[in-house]
Amino acid sequence: QKEVEQNSGPLSVPEGAIASLNCTYSDRGSQSFFWYRQYSGKSPELIMSIYSNGDKEDGRFTAQLNKASQYVSLLIRDSQPSDSATYLCAVKGAQKLVFGQGTRLTINP
Amino acid sequence: GAVVSQHPSWVICKSGTSVKIECRSLDFQATTMFWYRQFPKQSLMLMATSNEGSKATYEQGVEKDKFLINHASLTLSTLTVTSAHPEDSSFYICSAGGTATLRQPQHFGDGTRLSIL
Repeated sequence: QKEVEQNSGPLSVPEGAIASLNCTYSDRGSQSFFWYRQYSGKSPELIMSIYSNGDKEDGRFTAQLNKASQYVSLLIRDSQPSDSATYLCAVKGAQKLVFGQGTRLTINP
Repeated sequence: GAVVSQHPSWVICKSGTSVKIECRSLDFQATTMFWYRQFPKQSLMLMATSNEGSKATYEQGVEKDKFLINHASLTLSTLTVTSAHPEDSSFYICSAGGTATLRQPQHFGDGTRLSIL
């Protein structure tokens, strides 16, 4: 079992709709969870971090964490074509950051 | 603005050449930096953890004699790909931060695209 798992997609969402990205992790002791966005040919950019169970909202982005289910998700409201990218879920262990394989998201105008 | 600077952004060179990539933390001191490699359509794979003033810690399967890491100051780590071959062509990305506390995120440099002919 991979340490951090994501559906690789591609996930296609119409412009203006809600995009939902999911991630599961295997290390129950993980404490910190991050979502990075990576445009093609570019390095990852941090967009959200979450540490406690529940929801965390930042603009159009909402991160959700459920430690009991070992599940973290990212919702993007009012999706824009500029949101088209690969979204990487990252989970922090003792020191290392472990990445999922990423979900490729395409927002269709 | 950027908190981690990486240079160069693009390198094309002949097989057998050694290539050095620099990673600098701009606004903070980084006792630990990380080097990743990413092949097309794949996720980031951690190659090694660079520790200021001591030896780097390499991930399983990464040749330490091939990928030399030097972290001589609190703001600079370098990765040297020695005697590079076409199979070393990849996107190399460094990151810093994320070690002071569990909640501190890592920030990434812009990456170096290495193409070995």
